[in-house]
Amino acid sequence: GIQVEQSPPDLILQEGANSTLRCNFSDSVNNLQWFHQNPWGQLINLFYIPSGTKQNGRLSATTVATERYSLLYISSSQTTDSGVYFCGARGQNFVFGPGTRLSVLP
Amino acid sequence: DSGVTQTPKHLITATGQRVTLRCSPRSGDLSVYWYQQSLDQGLQFLIHYYNGEERAKGNILERFSAQQFPDLHSELNLSSLELGDSALYFCASSGYGQGAPPFYGYTFGSGTRLTVV
Repeated sequence: GIQVEQSPPDLILQEGANSTLRCNFSDSVNNLQWFHQNPWGQLINLFYIPSGTKQNGRLSATTVATERYSLLYISSSQTTDSGVYFCGARGQNFVFGPGTRLSVLP
Repeated sequence: DSGVTQTPKHLITATGQRVTLRCSPRSGDLSVYWYQQSLDQGLQFLIHYYNGEERAKGNILERFSAQQFPDLHSELNLSSLELGDSALYFCASSGYGQGAPPFYGYTFGSGTRLTVV
């Protein structure tokens, strides 16, 4: 089945900093999503982005399907951005990467 | 509110017991997926139902079973519980049915936190 990798595994930022999270997938996918899991465990859907670029406020994402990767950009980070960011991709089933744990310090 | 409803939110039970987790998908969605998130295992796909029929199985133990009912809600049954079954269990839905929202990926519920003591 499809393999999904994420980097970096952990990231610590000062409030106001920018960051880029990466998701690599091993095969062609027909669905690519980014999620934020907050400290209470809720999975929040950030982007459905099988290809192209989308922006939502301080967050944006780009997927280059032909090169099998997706990037999540967080600008002007805030403490509420802390949590774990997962990407997921659908081959035969929808598979999650291991996540990037982000800590934003005040 | 994502539109996917999971109950209960928290569940504490003893080893050897059986529990049932419930999921109501978004209005119009025909597909329901179950995932388990353990501390050291990440988010693992368990099973997928589409319009009442099992479509795919992932890393689901034989002690676990699921079904999707005619009203499209789904239940995940966990039996002979062990300490290692303690986890967050998520349900997701996606739409292909008539009247379903456009497909923008999978929508997850808020999860059921199961603690086995």
